[in-house]
Amino acid sequence: DTAVSQTPKYLVTQMGNDKSIKCEQNLGHDTMYWYKQDSKKFLKIMFSYNNKELIINETVPNRFSPKSPDKAHLNLHINSLELGDSAVYFCASSLRGPFSGNTIYFGEGSWLTVV
Amino acid sequence: DAKTTQPNSMESNEEEPVHLPCNHSTISGTDYIHWYRQLPSQGPEYVIHGLTSNVNNRMASLAIAEDRKSSTLILHRATLRDAAVYYCILRATMDSNYQLIWGAGTKLIIKP
Repeated sequence: DTAVSQTPKYLVTQMGNDKSIKCEQNLGHDTMYWYKQDSKKFLKIMFSYNNKELIINETVPNRFSPKSPDKAHLNLHINSLELGDSAVYFCASSLRGPFSGNTIYFGEGSWLTVV
Repeated sequence: DAKTTQPNSMESNEEEPVHLPCNHSTISGTDYIHWYRQLPSQGPEYVIHGLTSNVNNRMASLAIAEDRKSSTLILHRATLRDAAVYYCILRATMDSNYQLIWGAGTKLIIKP
């Protein structure tokens, strides 16, 4: 069983479109994250939710809107896609919040290409 | 924010030990040192973490300097499957403005 699964794995779309990436974890964790990895391979946290509540919201354009219907799911919706949004987006989860030393479990990533 | 510095890349022969260094001279007393690795086309995976004492697990060992300003991840017997980018990162335990900072990591190349 995949612990953190995200779909789609690959997504090619045109500028200006709206797209969503879905994420689910079956680990029973309280906290979920979205990370962005750019072309230089730097990983940056975008959002973190703990029990469906937003606890970390880094400097991300408001075109990006996370939604957590329950603590096992954290979806990422992106409006008006731009070329610079092309990156790999990783969903992740941890047992407790990011203030603890918990291990973070990552999904396999969603490769987004905006053309 | 405390940051880490790692070499861009390292090479090692298969079945030999590998020592991956990390400098974190601005580490605070509550920062845990975490290591993750990212295999090609996959998400990062946890390797090991520690605070002050050296740590061992089935994947690797972590040697932490006495002043905690540097640490070394040790793979005792590297295999081709260990070829990955290894990230050394710091995680604050009590920080209301928490942010996890990932560097560029060290790309480990294993030669058969």
